[in-house]
This record gives sequence, structure tokens and C-alpha cells, in this order.
Amino acid sequence: KQEVTQIPAALSVPEGENLVLNCSFTDSAIYNLQWFRQDPGKGLTSLLLIQSSQREQTSGRLNASLDKSSGRSTLYIAASQPGDSATYLCAVRTGGSYIPTFGRGTSLIVHP
Amino acid sequence: ETGVTQSPTHLIKTRGQQVTLRCSSQSGHNTVSWYQQALGQGPQFIFQYYREEENGRGNFPPRFSGLQFPNYSSELNVNALELDDSALYLCASSLETGAVQETQYFGPGTRLLVL
Repeated sequence: KQEVTQIPAALSVPEGENLVLNCSFTDSAIYNLQWFRQDPGKGLTSLLLIQSSQREQTSGRLNASLDKSSGRSTLYIAASQPGDSATYLCAVRTGGSYIPTFGRGTSLIVHP
Repeated sequence: ETGVTQSPTHLIKTRGQQVTLRCSSQSGHNTVSWYQQALGQGPQFIFQYYREEENGRGNFPPRFSGLQFPNYSSELNVNALELDDSALYLCASSLETGAVQETQYFGPGTRLLVL
């Protein structure tokens, strides 16, 4: 059974810092890994999707990397802004079932 | 704007009642998935529908059922509601071609409270 862990659970940083959020998974036979952002009480917004054959994806100030062999992905946020404050979730789709498994998320606060 | 809409936004029910939640997929998408997200947790996969047929199910009892319609809108039905069913229910649509798993686009969710 796939298990997804996100570290840290919560993070509070001053504006302008570069951040690294971590996601680890136990079964490396994945189809893809997706990073989402969730604002309080809202749905999820897709940030980046990495297919199993890819090593990284970039969008603006966001960069996500994938290392299947070690069961890890990182989301790098450059020059953080208060508007980046949200919960960041990673979801892994595992081979055979396509059922995604989510981590519990990292709650990020960026203060001015 | 993702194009995925859900109704209602909030709902209060009592134990033992039945509830139907609705989702309208993004235009052109053929797949819809439903998730349950308890407070402070990540979303838990309930099931997925592809072209009106269920093609994947998570660890949820049969009282959780669904439908996908020809226009790719969808319903989630929950019978015999329990207190633990209180959660945010999310639907997500995507265009699945079978070759590559595509990005899922989520709706804003329906928050269900069971008293």
C-alpha cells in the first residue's frame, strides 16, 4: 500500500525566502506525482505534474523534482510571497490502479 | 478558473439520512474522481468514473455510490450517513487518454456536516 509523507507539516517564513517542501513515498512504481495548493476551505489547484519518466517540472517561481529510486519529490518555491500562504499537497499515482494517494500537506505561512 | 463546479457548497444532514452531491466537469473532460477530505487530512480517493463507468474505487463502503452522466457531470450519493462522514467532498475532472495520466482539475468542494 502506497504511503505518502510530507515534511514539514507546517512552516512559517518571512517574505523573500527560498523554500523547499518535501514529499516521500514508499512504493517507487509510480505513474506520476502532482503538487497542489489548497487555500483554507477551498478546493485544490494543480501546480505541477511530473510523469514517472520525468525528473523535474518548472512553472514560474516553482520547481518540482522527482527521484523515484529514493521515493522523494521536492517542491522549491523561490522568493516566497505572502500570497504563497496555503497548504501544499503532493499526490502520487501508483502503477496498477491509478488511484492517487495524497500526503497530509505542508501548511505554509509567508509573513510580510 | 478551473471550470469544475460543485453543488451545494455547504450541507447539514442528520445521521441516517441520505445525501446527493453534484459535480459539473470541465468542458472536454471524460473522467471524474471524488475525494473525501477530513479536517487536517489529505484527500482520500472514493472512486473514479471514466465514460460513465466506475473504473477505480478506494477503501469506502458500498453506501458511497456514484453516477456519471453522458455530459460527464457526476453525482456522489451517500446513504445512511454517519457522523464520520462529515468532511469536504471534492470532485476532480481530467481528460484521460490511456497513454498518459493527465492533470486533475478540482472543484471548490461541498462541505458536509452530519449531526
